[in-house]
Amino acid sequence: AQRVTQPEKLLSVFKGAPVELKCNYSYSGSPELFWYVQYSRQRLQLLLRHISRESIKGFTADLNKGETSFHLKKPFAQEEDSAMYYCALAHNSGGSNYKLTFGKGTLLTVNP
Amino acid sequence: DSGVTQTPKHLITATGQRVTLRCSPRSGDLSVYWYQQSLDQGLQFLIQYYNGEERAKGNILERFSAQQFPDLHSELNLSSLELGDSALYFCASSGSQGTLYGYTFGSGTRLTVV
Repeated sequence: AQRVTQPEKLLSVFKGAPVELKCNYSYSGSPELFWYVQYSRQRLQLLLRHISRESIKGFTADLNKGETSFHLKKPFAQEEDSAMYYCALAHNSGGSNYKLTFGKGTLLTVNP
Repeated sequence: DSGVTQTPKHLITATGQRVTLRCSPRSGDLSVYWYQQSLDQGLQFLIQYYNGEERAKGNILERFSAQQFPDLHSELNLSSLELGDSALYFCASSGSQGTLYGYTFGSGTRLTVV
C-alpha cells in the first residue's frame, strides 16, 4: 500500500539558515510526488511537482528513487516561509482513478 | 482565487444538529475530494466523487454523507454533530488527467460545534 511519511511534525530554523523538510514514500509503482503549503490554516496551495523539476519561492525537491525520498529544500529560509508543508503521492486507486495520499505535514517556523 | 469555491466559510452549530457544506469545483474538473483537517489528526481524506459517482472512500463516519450533482458541485452532509467534528473541511478538485497536476483546493469551511 502507498504511504507518505513526514518524520518531523515541527521544524524550527532561524532566518537565513538552510531548511530541509523530509518526505519518504512507499509505493510499488512509478511515483508522482508533490509538495503543498498551507499558510495560517488557509487553503492548501500546490508548491511544486517533481515532474516539472521547478523551483518555487526558492524551494526545490529532488526525487530519489533509491532512498524513496522527496525532501524539500531551501538554502536560505525566510520568515514568510513559516507554514505547514504537506508531501503528497499520486497513485492509482483502482481502474483509471488516481488520488493523492498526503503525509501528516511538517510545521515550519522560521525565527527572526 | 483557486477556482474551487466552498460555502459557507464559517459555520457554528450545536451538538446533535445537521449541516451541509457546499463545494463548486474548478471549471472543467470532474473529480471532487473532501478532506477534514483537525489539529490532532492532520489532513484526513473523507471521500471522492468523479462525474457524479463515488470513486473512493476514506475515513468518513457513517454520520457523514456526500454527493455530487449533475452540475458537478458537491455537498458534504454532517449529521448528529459532536464536539469532535469541529474542524476545517476542505474540498479539492482535479481535472480529466487525474492527479497529474495535483489537486486544487478550496479555502475550506471552518465548522465549530458547540
